[in-house]
Amino acid sequence: GAGVSQSPSNKVTEKGKDVELRCDPISGHTALYWYRQSLGQGLEFLIYFQGNSAPDKSGLPSDRFSAERTGGSVSTLTIQRTQQEDSAVYLCASRFKVGGPYEQYFGPGTRLTVT
Amino acid sequence: AQSVTQPDIHITVSEGASLELRCNYSYGATPYLFWYVQSPGQGLQLLLKYFSGDTLVQGIKGFEAEFKRSQSSFNLRKPSVHWSDAAEYFCAVSDYNFNKFYFGSGTKLNVKP
Repeated sequence: GAGVSQSPSNKVTEKGKDVELRCDPISGHTALYWYRQSLGQGLEFLIYFQGNSAPDKSGLPSDRFSAERTGGSVSTLTIQRTQQEDSAVYLCASRFKVGGPYEQYFGPGTRLTVT
Repeated sequence: AQSVTQPDIHITVSEGASLELRCNYSYGATPYLFWYVQSPGQGLQLLLKYFSGDTLVQGIKGFEAEFKRSQSSFNLRKPSVHWSDAAEYFCAVSDYNFNKFYFGSGTKLNVKP
């Protein structure tokens, strides 16, 4: 089937504006992750959704960042009042929670540039 | 705390030469280990994984990795590199229930013709 998709692929925004990034996981995957990849850096964990459980938000860098997952499928990452340091590639990944395989499948990412 | 170290930021090898990318992890229990590859403008693709059993695991694209518990390492190898292997490689470790994944900072591989 189709892989993880993310939109938009690129987003340029002005400092102070809000942005929404979308992730469509693989059908049947109950676990969904958001990561941030800054230039030359590894993957920084942001948030993890698992089914109907409360999400693990421990990686969100500030209260300007939030995410939701509707109907256990599509997820939206929202960044309010964007700052230049928010410029990065935002990656979404999903995986099966029960029965495996347990590795994550990644989307192509959204490149966010804050000017 | 769990962590992954990839000591080499950049590596350049000649096409046809062998390759070894280093990965060291810190994890209190039996680790679940992964190698991913990221081509420019792409997401991460799984190369191989280790959960248990044979410590030498085979992956896609001719890659293999060896888990060495005594050295807390999971190094990635390929006997003969192809120009298309030029990419960034990430090592990752997962907690026991696969809820959290910890990634290294990546190694960028350049391949000389």
